[in-house]
Amino acid sequence: EVQLLESGGGLVQPGGSLRLSCAASGFIFSNYAMSWVRQAPGKGLEWVSVISGSGGSTYYADSVKGRFTISRDNSKNTLYLQMNSLRAEDTAVYYCAKNLVSALAASRDAFDIWGQGTMVTVSS
Amino acid sequence: EIVLTQSPGTLSLSPGERATLSCRASQSVSSSYLAWYQQKPGQAPRLLIYGASSRATGIPDRFSGSGSGTDFTLTISRLEPEDFAVYYCQQYDSAPRTFGQGTKVEIK
Repeated sequence: EVQLLESGGGLVQPGGSLRLSCAASGFIFSNYAMSWVRQAPGKGLEWVSVISGSGGSTYYADSVKGRFTISRDNSKNTLYLQMNSLRAEDTAVYYCAKNLVSALAASRDAFDIWGQGTMVTVSS
Repeated sequence: EIVLTQSPGTLSLSPGERATLSCRASQSVSSSYLAWYQQKPGQAPRLLIYGASSRATGIPDRFSGSGSGTDFTLTISRLEPEDFAVYYCQQYDSAPRTFGQGTKVEIK
């Protein structure tokens, strides 16, 4: 069964850091670009970042550029999101999501598999 | 950035009725790089439609997508009890990938 399982969320103070993980199973992880998408409480979906299958190419939303870093370890079938300088507006459920067909970060591709999400709360 | 506007915000219908959801883009979405997702409370989004009109694996044929350019539609031919949820459109034609604000389909 194709599955994504996020972990690492929690409560953090403004200015703090957190690292999210997403464990993948049931597919050849390195064959697909992976993204992080977040959803603030009661709000819609916001794409955050994408990484290519090889890990060599990454892109970020302007709202997180310079503060968040996406990475992956294909030997461990795991995707990461390092979040620094966190702000209250980063409070959200963070989902990892798999590209439908492509390994390219810049590809035009929908997200066919999503994890269950992990909650990040930034508050003092 | 392409802005997607979904309408209506809420659709109140009864099981068995037809639902028509709209997604309008602020600029043309080339080659129909548009997807629709369903999200139920406390759950992750689920891909329904990609490429504007192709159903994802396992999606019932009562769900259909259409449209091109700036105007897209998701149609649910006959609502089943499990279809009451929030629906989002997403464009993946240009960066950043953007989502509409969602349409809630609720039981009348």
